[in-house]
Amino acid sequence: EAQVTQNPRYLITVTGKKLTVTCSQNMNHEYMSWYRQDPGLGLRQIYYSMNVEVTDKGDVPEGYKVSRKEKRNFPLILESPSPNQTSLYFCASSPGTEFHQPQHFGDGTRLSIL
Amino acid sequence: GQNIDQPTEMTATEGAIVQINCTYQTSGFNGLFWYQQHAGEAPTFLSYNVLDGLEEKGRFSSFLSRSKGYSYLLLKELQMKDSASYLCAVRDPGNTPLVFGKGTRLSVIA
Repeated sequence: EAQVTQNPRYLITVTGKKLTVTCSQNMNHEYMSWYRQDPGLGLRQIYYSMNVEVTDKGDVPEGYKVSRKEKRNFPLILESPSPNQTSLYFCASSPGTEFHQPQHFGDGTRLSIL
Repeated sequence: GQNIDQPTEMTATEGAIVQINCTYQTSGFNGLFWYQQHAGEAPTFLSYNVLDGLEEKGRFSSFLSRSKGYSYLLLKELQMKDSASYLCAVRDPGNTPLVFGKGTRLSVIA
């Protein structure tokens, strides 16, 4: 089944404790992206990747890191999480960024930073 | 850059028709997407418009006017399961990511 898989789905942790949210897609998609979604603010892009070893900042990259060492995986790293990073996170992928290609989203990761 | 506006909330009655509007101001344009998102779930793709006019897909239709920077999503024969947020997203020319509006929360009532 074609899908984008995120782990964990839920995480409660404390300020300053490094964490990684994994994202994997099995569709051989070139483009991958991370969003956060907050009430009243909608989906905001954190980082995106056009292909292996190519990553770019989105609208809200501060406090986050990503890597794209292989095509299928695009982990999101919070080196020193803070409470303002409490949010619902989505990973998404698409074959490329050709205009007609929609993004496929993972099921989301709900992070709570205490 | 992009600026995308949608109403925050709408309410409609089961069996009725509802139109959700989206306006955008962009330096360029290469397509507009509509996504549906149920509470706590992932957005799912509904429709795509790049040329002016209406695209119909079952109970859902999407319209685009590029000269007006305007799109709408039309939902017919509303069902309770259509209660969700509807997200408008625009793509710039070139290899740029989608920019999403804040979404419209639709409540379908009996």
